[in-house]
Amino acid sequence: DVKVTQSSRYLVKRTGEKVFLECVQDMDHENMFWYRQDPGLGLRLIYFSYDVKMKEKGDIPEGYSVSREKKERFSLILESASTNQTSMYLCASSRDRGLSGNEQFFGPGTRLTVL
Amino acid sequence: AQSVSQHNHHVILSEAASLELGCNYSYGGTVNLFWYVQYPGQHLQLLLKYFSGDPLVKGIKGFEAEFIKSKFSFNLRKPSVQWSDTAEYFCAVALTGGGNKLTFGTGTQLKVEL
Repeated sequence: DVKVTQSSRYLVKRTGEKVFLECVQDMDHENMFWYRQDPGLGLRLIYFSYDVKMKEKGDIPEGYSVSREKKERFSLILESASTNQTSMYLCASSRDRGLSGNEQFFGPGTRLTVL
Repeated sequence: AQSVSQHNHHVILSEAASLELGCNYSYGGTVNLFWYVQYPGQHLQLLLKYFSGDPLVKGIKGFEAEFIKSKFSFNLRKPSVQWSDTAEYFCAVALTGGGNKLTFGTGTQLKVEL
């Protein structure tokens, strides 16, 4: 079974703090993704990565950055957390860059609250 | 930019009722289509997917979906829902050749009452 794990289920941070969300997958997938999930808005793509050290902006990258130093690990960074970044953050992974539409496997999510 | 519309935001059904959740997308090219489900407290997981071939696809737990290209639709159906189907359902679209990026709809909260 593919397993995607996220470092925290719940996180509470203060405005202005730097926040790191970690994601690890154990199936040697090339592709990794970060989404945020908000009620009524569905899942919105923040950043994704096709390979180590590669990253591409998704639909809502403002206020976020990412790091992928190893194939299995994809980190989301909030440089200076703000209250409008309070959300559920989901990490996903998938294989085969060349085959569009392959299934994405999701982690359990991190519920981040910024006070 | 492509978009995915799910018109039903909240649906309440009694057990054994039939279910149909609508999904429409805006892109005119070749697409791959997905339905994901998120049960309370659980991970988002794949329910079914369409890549090519038979436009009627069957997924887990008795769900099926029909791709109607002329209507840009991929509606999810189940003939008889159960209380355990209570969950949030998301439609998603990937552009063929778009590098595995998915665009999700806003989701439909389904509540099945006993």
